[in-house]
Amino acid sequence: DAKTTQPPSMDCAEGRAANLPCNHSTISGNEYVYWYRQIHSQGPQYIIHGLKNNETNEMASLIITEDRKSSTLILPHATLRDTAVYYCIVGSAGKSTFGDGTTLTVKP
Amino acid sequence: KAGVTQTPRYLIKTRGQQVTLSCSPISGHRSVSWYQQTPGQGLQFLFEYFSETQRNKGNFPGRFSGRQFSNSRSEMNVSTLELGDSALYLCASSFPTAHGYTFGSGTRLTVV
Repeated sequence: DAKTTQPPSMDCAEGRAANLPCNHSTISGNEYVYWYRQIHSQGPQYIIHGLKNNETNEMASLIITEDRKSSTLILPHATLRDTAVYYCIVGSAGKSTFGDGTTLTVKP
Repeated sequence: KAGVTQTPRYLIKTRGQQVTLSCSPISGHRSVSWYQQTPGQGLQFLFEYFSETQRNKGNFPGRFSGRQFSNSRSEMNVSTLELGDSALYLCASSFPTAHGYTFGSGTRLTVV
């Protein structure tokens, strides 16, 4: 599975959009990009996934660059409850080691 | 619907002992994966099971083993416990063709 690189931490003001980047320059053509988040002491929660096209669901939007070497998770209106560690994974969450992720802190 | 259930939630064991952790996946889910989470190493993949067969295995010593039963429930076993095995052990399940995995709340193992 391809490795991913994420910034260790980010802050976001409540109500504003949170944009979390992820680099995955060694991604293979058939590998998906997955995003999960983990709120303190709970198991990770699946957010969204994508292959080539941008994706949106009730939780977030996923923007994947045309060369597929990077992606951005967008939380359109961040709330305090979105404070968590966000993980970007390439391949399959069922067999991938999660990196250190990005700790997103949403501030009032 | 019921989520992924892991038992027990907390466990304290002595170095050298062995431990068995249990995971009941969401009804209908046949893929089960196990992870170890520690502050220093993050969330590391242990193994994945599908239809009672181990499909993938992470880079862990042979002291870590697992199995899956015909009802998709899974167990993992750690023998000859070491202090470094203290961690949160997470189980996740999924439909075979689905993309998102659902995680349980984990079992917190402390080795003393």
